[in-house]
Amino acid sequence: ETGVTQSPTHLIKTRGQQVTLRCSSQSGHNTVSWYQQALGQGPQFIFQYYREEENGRGNFPPRFSGLQFPNYSSELNVNALELDDSALYLCASSLIPGAVQETQYFGPGTRLLVL
Amino acid sequence: KQEVTQIPAALSVPEGENLVLNCSFTDSAIYNLQWFRQDPGKGLTSLLLIQSSQREQTSGRLNASLDKSSGRSTLYIAASQPGDSATYLCAPRGDYKLSFGAGTTVTVRA
Repeated sequence: ETGVTQSPTHLIKTRGQQVTLRCSSQSGHNTVSWYQQALGQGPQFIFQYYREEENGRGNFPPRFSGLQFPNYSSELNVNALELDDSALYLCASSLIPGAVQETQYFGPGTRLLVL
Repeated sequence: KQEVTQIPAALSVPEGENLVLNCSFTDSAIYNLQWFRQDPGKGLTSLLLIQSSQREQTSGRLNASLDKSSGRSTLYIAASQPGDSATYLCAPRGDYKLSFGAGTTVTVRA
């Protein structure tokens, strides 16, 4: 059983550019959630995908968008990058969203720096 | 909106001492609560999950309690070791998301 993987591990972009981050779910998991963690803070929920459909969204602007593919891997796209987008981006996979026994398993994260 | 507070923000103890980490949350309508460990610059490692109907969950030296009605959870780590040094995060789960506090950063001195 493979865990959650993310790519790339680190990324440097300039303000105004676009970025795509990738996540592969743990084997058998059909739900992916994305979180943004600024330095010194707890992760903030961006959105969740369940079976290729957006299942919920946090308080992030539309320039944050996502996709989930038939193999349940996922992408996070951020357009028009701003300096405040610099953060650790985490994805988490799970099975049976909403179940009381649902455990979310996190990947190692992608560190994005916007200059 | 769920607000999560973790106290203390930082803790430094000698090796062997027991640790008590506190978490409070404002919305008691949760499905479950997870405790995570995060090493500097790394992802989150799930430690324990307590379902909303449970009061306690144990794994090795870790024990977590949940009082959903009062919006509180406590993580106990027995006989701390230098390898336990990390940031610990609690995350109650609402409809489809986890809500996080800023965490408690623990340093265990050898």
